[in-house]
Amino acid sequence: EAQVTQNPRYLITVTGKKLTVTCSQNMNHEYMSWYRQDPGLGLRQIYYSMNVEVTDKGDVPEGYKVSRKEKRNFPLILESPSPNQTSLYFCASSLRSGVDEQFFGPGTRLTVL
Amino acid sequence: AQKVTQAQTEISVVEKEDVTLDCVYETRDTTYYLFWYKQPPSGELVFLIRRNSFDEQNEISGRYSWNFQKSTSSFNFTITASQVVDSAVYFCALSSNSGGYQKVTFGTGTKLQVIP
Repeated sequence: EAQVTQNPRYLITVTGKKLTVTCSQNMNHEYMSWYRQDPGLGLRQIYYSMNVEVTDKGDVPEGYKVSRKEKRNFPLILESPSPNQTSLYFCASSLRSGVDEQFFGPGTRLTVL
Repeated sequence: AQKVTQAQTEISVVEKEDVTLDCVYETRDTTYYLFWYKQPPSGELVFLIRRNSFDEQNEISGRYSWNFQKSTSSFNFTITASQVVDSAVYFCALSSNSGGYQKVTFGTGTKLQVIP
């Protein structure tokens, strides 16, 4: 089944404790992206990747890191989480960079205390 | 910079009414792509439609229709004879080239409630 998977689905952590949210797609898509969703703000792009080893900042990259060492994986790293990073996070992929429809993962709800 | 505006934060309609969700976009690029996505209460994001900037034909898919007008930079979405299952948050999105890369910008979403 073609899908985007994210783990974990739910996470409660404390300020400053490094964490990684994994994202994997099995559709051989070139383009992958991370978004955060906050009430009243819609979906905001954190980082995106055009292909392996090619990443760029989205609209809200502060406090986040990403890497794209393999085509299928695009982990999101919070090296020192803070309460303002409490949010719902979505990973997405599409066949071509920004041109095609995006397939979204199920979301990760992160709470930083 | 590119921007997507969904001015309607929440809309409530009675079942079987028609409803139009507005989307206004801004971009300097001549080639761009517009999308609509649906997020039902269960939380997943579901693709509905994609339109490129060179195709201004309106599209109809069952009870859904989309009106793309470049002259007003709008890409509006109409649901005819709304049903309770249409209750969801709807996002409009724009993808255009930004410094050599294709960036995607979402609007803030319109929450549609269909009352039985």
